[in-house]
Parts: sequence; structure tokens; C-alpha cells
Amino acid sequence: QKEVEQDPGPLSVPEGAIVSLNCTYSNSAFQYFMWYRQYSRKGPELLMYTYSSGNKEDGRFTAQVDKSSKYISLFIRDSQPSDSATYLCAMSDRRSSASKIIFGSGTRLSIRP
Amino acid sequence: DTAVSQTPKYLVTQMGNDKSIKCEQNLGHDTMYWYKQDSKKFLKIMFSYNNKELIINETVPNRFSPKSPDKAHLNLHINSLELGDSAVYFCASSQAQGASSYNEQFFGPGTRLTVL
Repeated sequence: QKEVEQDPGPLSVPEGAIVSLNCTYSNSAFQYFMWYRQYSRKGPELLMYTYSSGNKEDGRFTAQVDKSSKYISLFIRDSQPSDSATYLCAMSDRRSSASKIIFGSGTRLSIRP
Repeated sequence: DTAVSQTPKYLVTQMGNDKSIKCEQNLGHDTMYWYKQDSKKFLKIMFSYNNKELIINETVPNRFSPKSPDKAHLNLHINSLELGDSAVYFCASSQAQGASSYNEQFFGPGTRLTVL
């Protein structure tokens, strides 16, 4: 079993829809939870990070962490064609640079105009 | 003015050859990383250097040898290339020392390696 599981998609939704992306994980030591966005032929860029459980909102994006269920989500409201990308969840057990980040395999999202 | 840059962007080579990929960051960060992303988009850490010291060394064939001449540069040399080495290799950097919150990693644009 992989440490982090993520549905690869592809997921295709119409513009304006609410998108829900999810990951599950098995390592209860994970404390930092991140979402990276990766456009085609580009490097990943950090979208949001959350420490421990709870919600975090940034504009149209909301990250949720439920440590009891080992489940994290990213919601995108009012989705735009420019949101079309691969979204990678990632997690780490420590803040330090010596701590590895474990990535999910990414969900490919396409927003139809 | 690119924050993390890699060269070359594309690399096509024959099996058995030796090749190098270079990475430079101008963010003043003290930590640099090499990741491998396979065809299924799975991104996996290979190595990490903090202030030129190797701190993460994953289970990677010893044909792969990283070198950090200074904090701003991290190179990756690959000997005796194999078909399975075909992937996109990403360099990243972050600032660990003095970080008050999560030390975000900034990724380069990637080097697409194809071994024929």
C-alpha cells in the first residue's frame, strides 16, 4: 500500500463548478499537508499548506484535513479554465528540510469553458 | 530572473551513456533537492542537500551521483543510463534555516530525459 493515495483522474468539469480533490494516507505521523498545482510541462508550485487538522481558505481554494480519517481535500469554487492542471497532494511529518515530502500521484483536472 | 533553473530542458541519449543535469537557484535558499517524476506523474525525492551536505539519500541506484559545489547549485550525474531512467527530473530549493513556517519548496521547470 502506498503511503499516499490519490485518484489520478482525469476529472473534467464545466466552468463554474465546484471541484473536490482528495487524498488518503496511511502514516499517522504526517503533520504538514500540502497541495501543489502542476501545469503541463512545468514544475509543481505550492498552492496551499495546512498544519495538522482543520480548514484553510485562500480565495477560491479551501484545504481540509481530517487526521482522524487520514483524509485530505482541496475544494475549488467557481472553477476556471485556468485551473486546468494536475493537482498533487503532499505530506510531511516535520517542518525541517531533512524531512521527506511524500507526494500523491496527482489528479489531472480539466475545466471545460 | 528564473528562481530555480535547470539545464538542459530536454535530454535524449542512448542507453549506456553518461549524462549530467545542472540546477541553480537564485533565491538564497540553503537546501536543494532532486526529484524524479515518472510517466504516471508520481513525484519521488531522490536526494537533498543542506548547505552542501547530503541530508536525504533515497534508495537510488549508485549510478546516480549528486554534487553540490555551493549552496546555489546542485548537479546530478547519471552513469550507464538505462531505459528505466527516462523521466522528468525536477530540482527544487527551500530555506530551512530561520524558517518560521513551513519551508516551501520551489521547483525548477524540469529536465525531460529520454533514454533510447
